[in-house]
Amino acid sequence: SQKIEQNSEALNIQEGKTATLTCNYTNYSPAYLQWYRQDPGRGPVFLLLIRENEKEKRKERLKVTFDTTLKQSLFHITASQPADSATYLCALVDTGRRALTFGSGTRLQVQP
Amino acid sequence: ETGVTQTPRHLVMGMTNKKSLKCEQHLGHNAMYWYKQSAKKPLELMFVYSLEERVENNSVPSRFSPECPNSSHLFLHLHTLQPEDSALYLCASSQDIGENTEAFFGQGTRLTVV
Repeated sequence: SQKIEQNSEALNIQEGKTATLTCNYTNYSPAYLQWYRQDPGRGPVFLLLIRENEKEKRKERLKVTFDTTLKQSLFHITASQPADSATYLCALVDTGRRALTFGSGTRLQVQP
Repeated sequence: ETGVTQTPRHLVMGMTNKKSLKCEQHLGHNAMYWYKQSAKKPLELMFVYSLEERVENNSVPSRFSPECPNSSHLFLHLHTLQPEDSALYLCASSQDIGENTEAFFGQGTRLTVV
């Protein structure tokens, strides 16, 4: 069956450290993968999109990698801040489908 | 804000009521979506519209009825809902359908069915 798996346990880190979140997928063949941030009671907000032929994509303190052999994407936040505390979702569009399918998200808590 | 507005933000309705959720975008996007988010579950795609035509219905019960009168507006009509339908309902839009396009979400409507 198809699955998009993110660590369901919250990730707690100290301010200033690098947070690394994992997204693994099974039985999908996406050409693109996206990451979103969601705060409690609000809609997800787009962060980054990475293509299958891009090994890595950066935006300010954010970095995403995409390994189609491992079927995995890693999402890094460097120099993390308490304001980065949120749930982070990975998402992809399956071949032949028309909309994003989301993982369940990983909650990040950055301690001051 | 993202440019996608949903109303109302909160809704409490009885199982015999009829209500509608509204979504509006003025981003010039061609695709609009309804997602459902229940506690501790991933976002579930409900409906996809492209250029006002419904192109995907993800096995949603008929008590949920979408309507897209024009490319800027999307409605979700609700009738005879069940308590398990209580959830956060999210509307999103994107330039087009497909994978190379980011989605812009509204703030959602928190629905409680009593």
